[in-house]
Amino acid sequence: GNSVTQMEGPVTLSEEAFLTINCTYTATGYPSLFWYVQYPGEGLQLLLKATKADDKGSNKGFEATYRKETTSFHLEKGSVQVSDSAVYFCALGIQGAQKLVFGQGTRLTINP
Amino acid sequence: EPEVTQTPSHQVTQMGQEVILRCVPISNHLYFYWYRQILGQKVEFLVSFYNNEISEKSEIFDDQFSVERPDGSNFTLKIRSTKLEDSAMYFCASRRRQGARETQYFGPGTRLLVL
Repeated sequence: GNSVTQMEGPVTLSEEAFLTINCTYTATGYPSLFWYVQYPGEGLQLLLKATKADDKGSNKGFEATYRKETTSFHLEKGSVQVSDSAVYFCALGIQGAQKLVFGQGTRLTINP
Repeated sequence: EPEVTQTPSHQVTQMGQEVILRCVPISNHLYFYWYRQILGQKVEFLVSFYNNEISEKSEIFDDQFSVERPDGSNFTLKIRSTKLEDSAMYFCASRRRQGARETQYFGPGTRLLVL
């Protein structure tokens, strides 16, 4: 079946630290991969996406590369800010299916 | 920038009562979705809707649930007889086109508490 596994949280970092949130997936066919972010009290916002192998999605200093060989889509940021504190969800979409399949979410807290 | 809106933001109800959660998708979108997130758990797909009919649903979406697009702008989720385990955040989403590459845009959610 189709599934997404994210690294366990919560993750706590200091401002300006380097961030990696791991995401691996299992999918039939060729999925598209997404990172969504949920800020406190808000809904899910698309952060970035990649639709084929070796694509790199980027937005707001965050990056993730679609690695078919390792079935991964790890989220990275070189220097995090307090405002990046949120819950991050990795998700996949499969051609021919309507739904997104989400990982369990990783809560990130950035301390000043 | 267009966005998906949902009302109410919070709803408290008694077990066994009916609730209707409302969503206004982005105006030129054609595909509509409901997801839910039980506290501390994954976001789970409930149902997708296109061309005035359900196109896919999960095993969670049993006979107690129904969806409707009563007019050209609203998209509703009805739970006929709520149970304690229906307490969750419910997210509406929409997208313009078919295809796994197309982004689904989510609303801010309705937090439902069943007592």
